[in-house]
Amino acid sequence: DAGVIQSPRHEVTEMGQEVTLRCKPISGHDYLFWYRQTMMRGLELLIYFNNNVPIDDSGMPEDRFSAKMPNASFSTLKIQPSEPRDSAVYFCASSSTGTGYSYTGELFFGEGSRLTVL
Amino acid sequence: KNQVEQSPQSLIILEGKNCTLQCNYTVSPFSNLRWYKQDTGRGPVSLTIMTFSENTKSNGRYTATLDADTKQSSLHITASQLSDSASYICVVSAQKLVFGTGTRLLVSP
Repeated sequence: DAGVIQSPRHEVTEMGQEVTLRCKPISGHDYLFWYRQTMMRGLELLIYFNNNVPIDDSGMPEDRFSAKMPNASFSTLKIQPSEPRDSAVYFCASSSTGTGYSYTGELFFGEGSRLTVL
Repeated sequence: KNQVEQSPQSLIILEGKNCTLQCNYTVSPFSNLRWYKQDTGRGPVSLTIMTFSENTKSNGRYTATLDADTKQSSLHITASQLSDSASYICVVSAQKLVFGTGTRLLVSP
């Protein structure tokens, strides 16, 4: 399996522009997660899906962020309009199980999308 | 509040030396703890998982320990190699996953 595939790997944009990050999870994984990583805060969960349905979006910073999963093999994270404070590395991860209590499964991360908003 | 704290924040060691990374957690109820390795510019990759009943687990030169009473875990790296240079992230599973901010390790030749 090719693993979790994310695109683009790097994105530089200007404040106010729309940014779309893409993710293809591992085939057969029912759970897909979007994380944001910064030096100060580490990895933060933004949203996760189970069987293409958003389950917990409490980590989405504000209405400027939205995520979709139209099918089992594709998800997008959109930021509109982007702001400099959105600059971070965004990771997509997939898993064959959820992350509730007694979760022993492994998260499989993509390579990340490094976003810079000028 | 569920928290995972890692120390040190960063560490530089000479190639061939051993080192130990620490993870303290206040997560409840505790289910398990996983260590991830994150190479620069890459996504995290799981090294090992520790469940409540396990005290020690090895994965090659990596040995993880868990003390559920004191809520501490450590990751010991033996005979370090340049390829060990990475960030090491401790993740505790409770009702949801709680991530530490990681320890950045640099192995110097």
